[in-house]
Parts: sequence; C-alpha cells; structure tokens
Amino acid sequence: KQEVTQIPAALSVPEGENLVLNCSFTDSAIYNLQWFRQDPGKGLTSLLLIQSSQREQTSGRLNASLDKSSGRSTLYIAASQPGDSATYLCAGEGGNKLTFGTGTQLKVEL
Amino acid sequence: NAGVMQNPRHLVRRRGQEARLRCSPMKGHSHVYWYRQLPEEGLKFMVYLQKENIIDESGMPKERFSAEFPKEGPSILRIQQVVRGDSAAYFCASSPRDRSSYNSPLHFGNGTRLTVT
Repeated sequence: KQEVTQIPAALSVPEGENLVLNCSFTDSAIYNLQWFRQDPGKGLTSLLLIQSSQREQTSGRLNASLDKSSGRSTLYIAASQPGDSATYLCAGEGGNKLTFGTGTQLKVEL
Repeated sequence: NAGVMQNPRHLVRRRGQEARLRCSPMKGHSHVYWYRQLPEEGLKFMVYLQKENIIDESGMPKERFSAEFPKEGPSILRIQQVVRGDSAAYFCASSPRDRSSYNSPLHFGNGTRLTVT
C-alpha cells in the first residue's frame, strides 16, 4: 500500500527566499508524481507532473525532481512571493488513483 | 473548454438526510475519479468510474455511499442517511482515458463542501 509523507508540515519564510518542499513515497511502482497547490477553501491546482521515466520538470519559478529509487521528490520554489502562500500537496499515481501526502502549509511573509 | 465542474459548491444537510454531489467532467472525458478530504486530513481516493461502469470503488465506505456515471449527464456521488463524520470536501477529476497510458496532469474541480448538522 502506497504511503506518501511530506516534510515539513508547515513552513514560514520571508519573501524572496528560495525553498524546498520534500515528499517521500513507499511504493516506487508509480506512473508519475504530481505536485498540487491548494488555497484555503479552494480546489486543487496542478503545478507539475513528473513521469516515472523523468528526473525533473520546471515551470517558471518551480522545479520538481523525482528519484524513484529512493522514493523521493522535491519541489523547489525560487524567489518566493506572498502569493505563493498555500498548501502544497504531492501525490504518487498508480493503478488509476492518486495517493496524496498531507501537505506542506507554506506562508511567505513580507 | 470548461474545466471539471462540480455542484453545488456548498451543501448543508441534517443528519439522516441524503446528499447528492454532481460532477461534470471536461468535454470528451469519459473517466471520472472522486476524492474526499476530511478536516485536517489528506485527500483520499474514493471511486473511479467510466461511463456506465464502476472500475474501482476500493476507497468507498461500504455502506450509505454510492456513485454512478450514466451514459448521459454528470457523475453523481450519493450519500444516504448522512452523519456528522461525512462532513468533508469532495473533489472530482476527469481524464479522457486510462491514466496508465496518459501522462498529463489530472485536473480537479473546485469541490463540494458538505456540512452535516
């Protein structure tokens, strides 16, 4: 059974700082690894998807990496902004279902 | 092309009533997935449906919960005799085909927030 863990559970940083969010998973038999953003009371916004054969994906200030052998993924956010404040969720996908971590709650302060 | 549409956005039910949550997939999508987010918990898979078929309901509670995706119309998640523990956000996502052969991001609707009083 897949289990996904995210560390840290919460993070507060000053504006402009670069930061890394961590995600680990127990079952390496995944099609892909997705990172999402969730704002309070809102839905999920897909940020990046890394296929199982890939090592990383980039979109703007975001870079996500995947190491299947060690069961780890990281989301790197460059030059953080207050608008980046949200909960970030990673999810491993296999068997037509996503297994989500419990998220990292990020606050970027002015 | 509209995204995944869910309604209602908010639903309040008294204990014992029925709740019906609707999900209209993206145009051309015939695969629908339902997830539940309980307060202070992560999102959990509930059920995966294709048109007129339930493919995987391993995440559905055994009693009171049912889901359908008819040939015409939206997918419906139905909760009978709701209890306070059913209060959660329910999200659905859709895909044009089986995810094992389709490596594009899975897009979710904005969810239905069910409150049971």
